[in-house]
Amino acid sequence: AQSVTQLGSHVSVSEGALVLLRCNYSSSVPPYLFWYVQYPNQGLQLLLKYTSAATLVKGINGFEAEFKKSETSFHLTKPSAHMSDAAEYFCAVRVRNKLIFGQGTELSVKP
Amino acid sequence: NAGVTQTPKFQVLKTGQSMTLQCAQDMNHEYMSWYRQDPGMGLRLIHYSVGAGITDQGEVPNGYNVSRSTTEDFPLRLLSAAPSQTSVYFCASSYRDRMNTEAFFGQGTRLTVV
Repeated sequence: AQSVTQLGSHVSVSEGALVLLRCNYSSSVPPYLFWYVQYPNQGLQLLLKYTSAATLVKGINGFEAEFKKSETSFHLTKPSAHMSDAAEYFCAVRVRNKLIFGQGTELSVKP
Repeated sequence: NAGVTQTPKFQVLKTGQSMTLQCAQDMNHEYMSWYRQDPGMGLRLIHYSVGAGITDQGEVPNGYNVSRSTTEDFPLRLLSAAPSQTSVYFCASSYRDRMNTEAFFGQGTRLTVV
């Protein structure tokens, strides 16, 4: 069965520091992978998606993710954190029409 | 373009009461789904629909019913609310069978059952 694991339910970084949120997937077929962001009391918003066109995917707000088949990973990064990046981040894999989500990682940004 | 609209945004129910969470989308998406979000558990699929007149169960369907009479609307019914159904509920829609497209989410309904 296909699944997604996000390592670390909470990550804290200082403003200006590198953001790294980890996502590993299991899939028997080439995966379609997504990162969503959820700001407090809001719905989920798409950050970026991997659809096999390129292994390095750039998203909104300066985020990017690299698909590594050998490591079954799709980690999310941002070179320099901003206070406005504080939110919960979800990695998901699309299985036919269903989205299967990881447990989520809450990102805190310290001034 | 409103996207996915959920109502109400907040609701408090007493144990045993029933209610319907409304979801509507204006993007002509065939696929619609309901998730519940609980701390530390991500989003779990309750029910989904691949088109008008077709619905199916997801991972956590017990205590919930759905119907899909039109492409636009996908209401979620709680038959007899229980405290375990206290959660945040999200409706989502997407194109059917277009694997490289994303799902769009509503703003959520925060439900408390007392």
